[in-house]
Amino acid sequence: DAEITQSPRHKITETGRQVTLACHQTWNHNNMFWYRQDLGHGLRLIHYSYGVQDTNKGEVSDGYSVSRSNTEDLPLTLESAASSQTSVYFCASSSDRSTDTQYFGPGTRLTVL
Amino acid sequence: AQSVTQLGSHVSVSEGALVLLRCNYSSSVPPYLFWYVQYPNQGLQLLLKYTSAATLVKGINGFEAEFKKSETSFHLTKPSAHMSDAAEYFCAVIMDTGRRALTFGSGTRLQVQP
Repeated sequence: DAEITQSPRHKITETGRQVTLACHQTWNHNNMFWYRQDLGHGLRLIHYSYGVQDTNKGEVSDGYSVSRSNTEDLPLTLESAASSQTSVYFCASSSDRSTDTQYFGPGTRLTVL
Repeated sequence: AQSVTQLGSHVSVSEGALVLLRCNYSSSVPPYLFWYVQYPNQGLQLLLKYTSAATLVKGINGFEAEFKKSETSFHLTKPSAHMSDAAEYFCAVIMDTGRRALTFGSGTRLQVQP
């Protein structure tokens, strides 16, 4: 069965370190998204991609970057981790139409000390 | 600006009672609307979606939602709550079809009392 996976599931890091969160999907979807979930805010969009070599900033992109070198993967990098980036991160993917369902990964809980 | 509001961060019902979770969106253009459910320590799962077809949408696990343009609402209901419905529920919207990312409400945590 097709799926979307994230790794690691839990990560503790220190302020200032670079961190990369992995997202891999086997749906063969063109669209991929990264969201962060914080209490009282729901999920907020960090970055998204509509295909290979395409990346776009979301509402809370400061301090984050992504790259899309193939269809299956969209890694999220925190260039210099900050305590404000302690959160749960979700990756999602969908096929081309706006009405298509977004499928979510299980999430990565990141703690920045 | 895109906006979706969920009234009530916590809702508590008794098992067997009606579940009503409220969602309002801000737009003069009918959007695409979604309800997702999140069980503890899991990702989000689609319950149902409105995509400009029938205004009453039926989803999984006995949930349904009605799109009301005049009220800019898309409330989620279930006639009879079950203990397994305890979870967090998110309303989400796509206002601009050229942009496929979701804008989420802040979520409603549903508790079901025995």
